[in-house]
Amino acid sequence: AQSVTQLDSHVSVSEGTPVLLRCNYSSSYSPSLFWYVQHPNKGLQLLLKYTSAATLVKGINGFEAEFKKSETSFHLTKPSAHMSDAAEYFCVVSDHGAGRRALTFGSGTRLQVQP
Amino acid sequence: DGGITQSPKYLFRKEGQNVTLSCEQNLNHDAMYWYRQDPGQGLRLIYYSQIVNDFQKGDIAEGYSVSREKKESFPLTVTSAQKNPTAFYLCASGGTGANVLTFGAGSRLTVL
Repeated sequence: AQSVTQLDSHVSVSEGTPVLLRCNYSSSYSPSLFWYVQHPNKGLQLLLKYTSAATLVKGINGFEAEFKKSETSFHLTKPSAHMSDAAEYFCVVSDHGAGRRALTFGSGTRLQVQP
Repeated sequence: DGGITQSPKYLFRKEGQNVTLSCEQNLNHDAMYWYRQDPGQGLRLIYYSQIVNDFQKGDIAEGYSVSREKKESFPLTVTSAQKNPTAFYLCASGGTGANVLTFGAGSRLTVL
C-alpha cells in the first residue's frame, strides 16, 4: 500500500520569507507525486506533479518540489511567501501502480503568512 | 470553460434523511471520484468510476451510494446509514491514463 505523511499540520511564515512544507511517502512502485493547494471552502488546484522525469519540479505561483528517492521525500518550497499563499496544501501519491486509479492524500499542511 | 460543477454548495439534512450531491463535468474525462474531507484528515476516497455503468468502492464507502449512467455525471447519495455525514464533499475527474485530477468546488453537508 502507498501512503504519504505531511510532517507539519501548521506552518507559519512572514511575508517575503521562504516556505518549506515537508512530505514523505512510501510506495511499492515508482510513484507519481503531486502537490495540491486548497483555499478556504474551495476545491483543490494542482500546484505541480512529479512523474519520473526531472527530479526538481517547478509549479505555478513560484512553487517547486524536489523528488528525493533516497529520502522518500517530496518537499514543497517557495523562495518568498506572499499573503495569497495562505491556504492548505496537500501532498498526494498515485495508487496507479497498485491497480487502483485513485490518489492517496496526506493530511494537509495549513500555511499561514504573517504580514 | 471546461470544468466540474458540484451542487448544492451547502446542504442541511435532518437525521434519517437521504441526500444526493450532484457532480457534472464537461471535460470528457472517463474517470470520476468522490472524496470526503474532514478537518485534519486530508481527503478520503468514497467511490470512484473509471467508465460509464461501472464504479468501485473506495476506503470509506459504507453509508454512501453512487451511479454512473452518463459519462458527464456521477451523483453521490449520502444515506441514513452513514453515521457521521457532516463533512465537505469533493468530486473530481481525470482523463484516461492520467493521474492528474480536476476538482469541483465542493459541497458542504451539515446534519442537524
